[in-house]
Amino acid sequence: KNQVEQSPQSLIILEGKNCTLQCNYTVSPFSNLRWYKQDTGRGPVSLTIMTFSENTKSNGRYTATLDADTKQSSLHITASQLSDSASYICVANTGTASKLTFGTGTRLQVTL
Amino acid sequence: DTAVSQTPKYLVTQMGNDKSIKCEQNLGHDTMYWYKQDSKKFLKIMFSYNNKELIINETVPNRFSPKSPDKAHLNLHINSLELGDSAVYFCASSQVEGIFETQYFGPGTRLLVL
Repeated sequence: KNQVEQSPQSLIILEGKNCTLQCNYTVSPFSNLRWYKQDTGRGPVSLTIMTFSENTKSNGRYTATLDADTKQSSLHITASQLSDSASYICVANTGTASKLTFGTGTRLQVTL
Repeated sequence: DTAVSQTPKYLVTQMGNDKSIKCEQNLGHDTMYWYKQDSKKFLKIMFSYNNKELIINETVPNRFSPKSPDKAHLNLHINSLELGDSAVYFCASSQVEGIFETQYFGPGTRLLVL
């Protein structure tokens, strides 16, 4: 059964600090993995996408890593800002839209 | 604004009623979707249309009927609403960017069935 598990479920950090969110996936076949940011009351917005051949990809202060052997991905946020407060959802893809498997997300709160 | 828009944003209704949610995208995408996000924030695909044709129907009760009058619109009609239908419903559209298909989500419709 295709599954995506994320940890922690929620996280509170001080502004300016770094944090790392984890994603473990069990998807077969595996095509790519995407991280979404979902602000409260909004739809998810894509942050980054990685294929099995990519190890690291950065998008500003967000850096995603992927280990296709261990089926793990992480999203590292550097120098967090209040606007980073959101849910971060990991999505594993077998290659077609119908086979997107969503994690339940990590709820990040950045405080002063 | 170029975007995916949904109406209404909030919908509170009694069990047994019939309701519709509308979605429009002006991004020029060919493919549109409906997703359901439950109380545990788990997103699950319901339907997908490509150029007004249904291409994905994921084990959704037949009380849910999508309708695509044109490729910019995908509406969702729900008959005989049940308590378990309470959720946030997201519309999305997508396009292929390079080798990836990127989905753009609407703001969601929060449905509460009493």
